[in-house]
Amino acid sequence: DGGITQSPKYLFRKEGQNVTLSCEQNLNHDAMYWYRQDPGQGLRLIYYSQIVNDFQKGDIAEGYSVSREKKESFPLTVTSAQKNPTAFYLCASSIGQVTYNEQFFGPGTRLTVL
Amino acid sequence: AQTVTQSQPEMSVQEAETVTLSCTYDTSENNYYLFWYKQPPSRQMILVIRQEAYKQQNATENRFSVNFQKAAKSFSLKISDSQLGDTAMYFCAFVGGAQKLVFGQGTRLTINP
Repeated sequence: DGGITQSPKYLFRKEGQNVTLSCEQNLNHDAMYWYRQDPGQGLRLIYYSQIVNDFQKGDIAEGYSVSREKKESFPLTVTSAQKNPTAFYLCASSIGQVTYNEQFFGPGTRLTVL
Repeated sequence: AQTVTQSQPEMSVQEAETVTLSCTYDTSENNYYLFWYKQPPSRQMILVIRQEAYKQQNATENRFSVNFQKAAKSFSLKISDSQLGDTAMYFCAFVGGAQKLVFGQGTRLTINP
C-alpha cells in the first residue's frame, strides 16, 4: 500500500534535548512538508521541500531543522532552541513541485516535552 | 498576506440533516485553489473537496459540495444527509501565488445520532 508513515506516534522529550521525527513516503512524490498543529489552531507550515537536497523555511521554522537526502524521507529535528515544542506534528507530501496539488498526510506524531 | 477565516469554532447537527460550514479568505491573487480537509478523531487529515478559482462551477463530491463565491471571497462546505462518520474537525485551506497552503483554524463538527 502506498502512503506516508510517521514515527513514533508518541514522543516524549526532556527539556534541552533534540529529537527527530521520522517521515517516509512511498508515493514517489516530489514535495514534502512538515506542519505543526496546536489546539484551537490550524496547521502551520514549518519546512517544505520540493526536491531532493533542497528545502525552504515555512512560517514557523525557528527551532527546527530538516534534511532531504532521499526522495522518500524528510525527517524533522526539534532542537532545544524551540521554546514550546509540545504539539502535534504532521508530515505531508504531494506529487510535483507545486502546492496546488493535493497534499497527502501522515498519521502524525504527538510530541510532549516533560 | 493571505488569510483564511473559519468563523464557526463548533457546530452540531442531527444525523441525516444538512450542515454548512463557513470559510472566508483574503487574497489579492486572481488564480488560486481552495480545499476542505477533514480531520477525524484519528487525526488523519483527509482531503474532502477542492475548487479551482478559475472554475465557476461549484465542486461536488457525493454528499459534499461547496458554494464558491469568488467576489465575496467565500468558500462554504455543505454536507448533505450527514452521517456519524462525518464527525471531525474540518479545515478550509487556500493556496495561491506564494504556493504555501494556508489553513483556517478549523470547525469542530459533531453529528449526533
